Amino acid sequence: EIVLTQSPGTLSLSPGERATLSCRASQSVSFSYLGWYQQKPGQAPRLLLYGASSRATGIPDRFSGSGSGTDFTLTISRLEPEDFAVYYCQQYGWSPYTFGQGTKLEIK
Amino acid sequence: QVQLVQSGAEVKEPGASVKVSCKASGYTFTGYYIYWVRQAPGQGLEWMGWINPNSGSTNYAQKFEGWVTMTRDTSISTAYLELSRLKSDDTAMYYCARGGTRVWEASLGYWGQGTLVTVSS
Repeated sequence: EIVLTQSPGTLSLSPGERATLSCRASQSVSFSYLGWYQQKPGQAPRLLLYGASSRATGIPDRFSGSGSGTDFTLTISRLEPEDFAVYYCQQYGWSPYTFGQGTKLEIK
Repeated sequence: QVQLVQSGAEVKEPGASVKVSCKASGYTFTGYYIYWVRQAPGQGLEWMGWINPNSGSTNYAQKFEGWVTMTRDTSISTAYLELSRLKSDDTAMYYCARGGTRVWEASLGYWGQGTLVTVSS
């Protein structure tokens, strides 16, 4: 199965700053079938991006994604207070459709 | 609006079975794949598998083969996840989520609220 490794494990930033989260796959992800999710405590995950770079419905344009093959990035251009959460990447190119272990974005 | 509403929390003893439901509304149930994802307390997300509500075909992560069963009842737009031979490390929040109309459209745009299954003696 494809193992996704997210880095850093924890990212401490202030509102207004730029966040860059990484997701590295153990083998190439077919057709950039990679998604990013945000999860806040006590809530279900929310889809942010699919196909590595396409924003899901209602997602603000401060969220963007890039990458292909084995290296993917989620960028939040200017952090808002509501963006502090845990972020997961998921590949759905090869079954099982594995998740990364998550990056916690916390307020500095 | 698309909604997935899951059944309530369960407490089970080790070795028992549990069946979690996921009722869909706001769209054509048979048109979209349903996925199941679990999350142990304080841990990350774990993909379990999918069911095609139209055909009933399923695909499980190998870890869950043989003791997890995904089914559906199209007459009431509901998907089910049954776990057997429960162990304490199966204690987790279990989520259903909706994928796309085709198996490769597997980003999960809609999620249920989760069902907490606690396995304890």
